[in-house]
Amino acid sequence: DAKTTQPPSMDCAEGRAANLPCNHSTISGNEYVYWYRQIHSQGPQYIIHGLKNNETNEMASLIITEDRKSSTLILPHATLRDTAVYYCIVRKNSGGSNYKLTFGKGTLLTVNP
Amino acid sequence: GAVVSQHPSRVICKSGTSVKIECRSLDFQATTMFWYRQFPKQSLMLMATSNEGSKATYEQGVEKDKFLINHASLTLSTLTVTSAHPEDSSFYICSASGGNRGTYEQYFGPGTRLTVT
Repeated sequence: DAKTTQPPSMDCAEGRAANLPCNHSTISGNEYVYWYRQIHSQGPQYIIHGLKNNETNEMASLIITEDRKSSTLILPHATLRDTAVYYCIVRKNSGGSNYKLTFGKGTLLTVNP
Repeated sequence: GAVVSQHPSRVICKSGTSVKIECRSLDFQATTMFWYRQFPKQSLMLMATSNEGSKATYEQGVEKDKFLINHASLTLSTLTVTSAHPEDSSFYICSASGGNRGTYEQYFGPGTRLTVT
């Protein structure tokens, strides 16, 4: 699976939008971009995923560049409860070992009051 | 969303004893379950993948005789840490996928904090 690069940490003011970048310049055509987050001492939580079109759900929006080499996760109105480590992962959605999720170091987002 | 539980949430055991951790998918049938380990201030590391009714596939460097995985039903997988040592102290997290929740999405449990004294 392609590797990803994320900033180690970011800060955001409560109520403002949090924009978390991810570089995946070696992504292949059949690899999806997934975002998970992990609040301290909890299991990871699925946020969103996409292939090439921008995606939005009740938690966040995912913007993928046209060349698919980078993406941005947007939390439109960050709250204190959004403080967590955010993981950007690229993965094929096909059988066998491609089910695996390989977690990098992620970005620690701290939402400040 | 899909709910995955783990039991216990915390466990303290003495060195040399064995500990069993349960992972259950509460509202879907999980054909595949994954076990991860996370040391303090580090990321999750996949230990093994198990499919219901089959032997688990272990990642390189993970001892299959030390970390016994059983996935006997579509809603339950267990991880047994045998002859635990202090270096096995970690946060163990399972995830599940499959059934009517789709083949590819993984839903994570809340984790089990193991401390070996």
